[in-house]
Amino acid sequence: EDKVVQSPLSLVVHEGDTVTLNCSYEVTNFRSLLWYKQEKKAPTFLFMLTSSGIEKKSGRLSSILDKKELFSILNITATQTGDSAVYLCAVVPSGNTPLVFGKGTRLSVIA
Amino acid sequence: DAGVIQSPRHEVTEMGQEVTLRCKPISGHNSLFWYRQTMMRGLELLIYFNNNVPIDDSGMPEDRFSAKMPNASFSTLKIQPSEPRDSAVYFCASRPNTYEQYFGPGTRLTVT
Repeated sequence: EDKVVQSPLSLVVHEGDTVTLNCSYEVTNFRSLLWYKQEKKAPTFLFMLTSSGIEKKSGRLSSILDKKELFSILNITATQTGDSAVYLCAVVPSGNTPLVFGKGTRLSVIA
Repeated sequence: DAGVIQSPRHEVTEMGQEVTLRCKPISGHNSLFWYRQTMMRGLELLIYFNNNVPIDDSGMPEDRFSAKMPNASFSTLKIQPSEPRDSAVYFCASRPNTYEQYFGPGTRLTVT
C-alpha cells in the first residue's frame, strides 16, 4: 500500500528560527512529490519535485528530493508568524492516479 | 483564472436532510477529486474523475454518498440522508495532465 509519512507531527518555533520538515514515502512507480501549505482554508501548492538532488526554492522556502532514500525535506529559514500552517506532503504514484497525502506537520511560529 | 470554485462555502443542515455540494474545476483540467477533511482523519480522498468518468470511488464512505460529473465544468457530491458524522470540510480539486493539483476553498458542512 502506498504510504507517505511526515515528521514531526507538530512543531513550535520562535520567529527567526530555521525549520526542517520531513517527508518519507513508499509508493510504486513514483512520479512526483508535492508540498502544500494549509492555513485555515484550502491547501495551496508550494513545490513539485521530480528529480533527485535539485533544490526548488521560493523566497525563504526550499525543498529537495532524494529518490534513493525515498524522502524529501522542506526548509523554512528566518521563520515568521505567517508561516504558521499545516504543511502537507503528497506523492503521485503513477499516471493519472490521485495524490497520496501524508498527515501533515503543524508548524506554529511564535513571536 | 478564478481557480476551483465550490459552493456553498458553508452548509448547516439537520440530520436526515439531503446535501448537495458543487464544484467547478479549472478550465482545461481533466481530473477532478473530492476530498473530506476532519481533525481526526486528516484529508481523505472520496472519489476522482478523469475526463468526466468516475475512476475510483472506493473512498466513498457509504451508499449515502454519491458523486456525478455530467460535463467537464461541473461536479456534484450528494449526501442523502446526511448524518452528524458527515460534518467536515469537503474539498474539490482539479488537475491538468501534469501533477500539480489545485484545491477549491472547500465547503464546511455541519449536520446537527
